[in-house]
Amino acid sequence: KAGVTQTPRYLIKTRGQQVTLSCSPISGHRSVSWYQQTPGQGLQFLFEYFSETQRNKGNFPGRFSGRQFSNSRSEMNVSTLELGDSALYLCASSRLAGGYEQYFGPGTRLTVT
Amino acid sequence: EDKVVQSPLSLVVHEGDTVTLNCSYEVTNFRSLLWYKQEKKAPTFLFMLTSSGIEKKSGRLSSILDKKELFSILNITATQTGDSAIYLCAVEPTGSGSRLTFGEGTQLTVNP
Repeated sequence: KAGVTQTPRYLIKTRGQQVTLSCSPISGHRSVSWYQQTPGQGLQFLFEYFSETQRNKGNFPGRFSGRQFSNSRSEMNVSTLELGDSALYLCASSRLAGGYEQYFGPGTRLTVT
Repeated sequence: EDKVVQSPLSLVVHEGDTVTLNCSYEVTNFRSLLWYKQEKKAPTFLFMLTSSGIEKKSGRLSSILDKKELFSILNITATQTGDSAIYLCAVEPTGSGSRLTFGEGTQLTVNP
């Protein structure tokens, strides 16, 4: 069974631009969560989608948004990029929402210059 | 606010040693605790613990949860250089959806 895939794997953007990251969950998984990982803050929860609905949201500004499609694929968007948005963005999928193992994708390394 | 504290933050051992990694937590309405191994990019799932006192094992790795004292340990026996990684502990509360709160991680280095 294929794992979680994320595209692109690397991205370089400049301040003020916007970016869209994509995540395809493991086949049969319906919940997708997004996390930001930085050296200073560690892994922090961004949001979770299940059945095309946002179920949970972390403490991030409104510049961070996401959506989920009917095939469970998810996208995350960051608008008006800031230098501090440079991070590894990880998505994780689980079979259902809550109480199931979450499996992570390889991540997208975003660098904002 | 949910909180996870891991110790030690860094550990250097020799091949063959046994290590114990610690994870203590504070969470409103605990549902589960998860351990992950992160080598280069994606954290790899190791264990999910929901019940107190029941040990989960996978090869040389094992983990146990104490819900009364709010902690978990991850044991690795007969360590190998391939065990070198960051080990992450996370907790998930009950309620709708999935939302993990992670600790800082323990950086384990196994020298030959």
